[in-house]
Amino acid sequence: QPQLVQSASEVKKSGASVRVSCRASGYTFTGYGITWVRQAPGQGLEWIGWISGHTNDKEDEQKLQGRVTVTIDTSTETAYMELRGLTFDDSGIYYCARGPGSRLLPHALDVWGQGTVVTVSS
Amino acid sequence: DIQMTQSPSTLSASIGDRVTITCRASQTISPWLAWFQQKPGKAPGLLIYKTSKLQTGVPSRFSGSGSGTEFTLTINNLQPDDFATYYCQQYSTYSYTFGQGTKLEVK
Repeated sequence: QPQLVQSASEVKKSGASVRVSCRASGYTFTGYGITWVRQAPGQGLEWIGWISGHTNDKEDEQKLQGRVTVTIDTSTETAYMELRGLTFDDSGIYYCARGPGSRLLPHALDVWGQGTVVTVSS
Repeated sequence: DIQMTQSPSTLSASIGDRVTITCRASQTISPWLAWFQQKPGKAPGLLIYKTSKLQTGVPSRFSGSGSGTEFTLTINNLQPDDFATYYCQQYSTYSYTFGQGTKLEVK
């Protein structure tokens, strides 16, 4: 059964960086990609990035102005999302989800991690 | 970016009702439109993909339709478990934008 397990909640100071991990199991990791989505408290869903599971192809939300980096480690079947220059507006739940392995093969987000709460404080 | 406009933002309904949620894209995305259900404190779950295909395990009272820029999610014979927030998402072009959500509540 495909599953994504995310790292524990984080509390960070404004201006710091956070790194969230997402470990995959139960499916061929390199056959898909990992997409990152976040949700501010009481708000909707926001797509923030994607990375292929078998190439270095990736995309990230341009509105984040280069503050986000998505990476993968195929040896451990783990994806990572790093967000730098944290502000209060970055507080929320960060989800990883199984997505397309290639930008040429659209694939809906069919498996989701449990979410990682990121709290940015002063 | 492709903008996704979902309506209504809130919908009140009763058990057994039939409800429809609409999602409009700012440009053609067909057929790459998905619908998700989210309950409080939980991750979203995929209901419908590629406009009208039912995800495995999703009850047949859920259905999706549409083309081009206009899409709908229909829930027939509302059940207690269906009261939740619903999101559409286009996965035609990066960034894969979501609608703002529709909260389905008990009338």
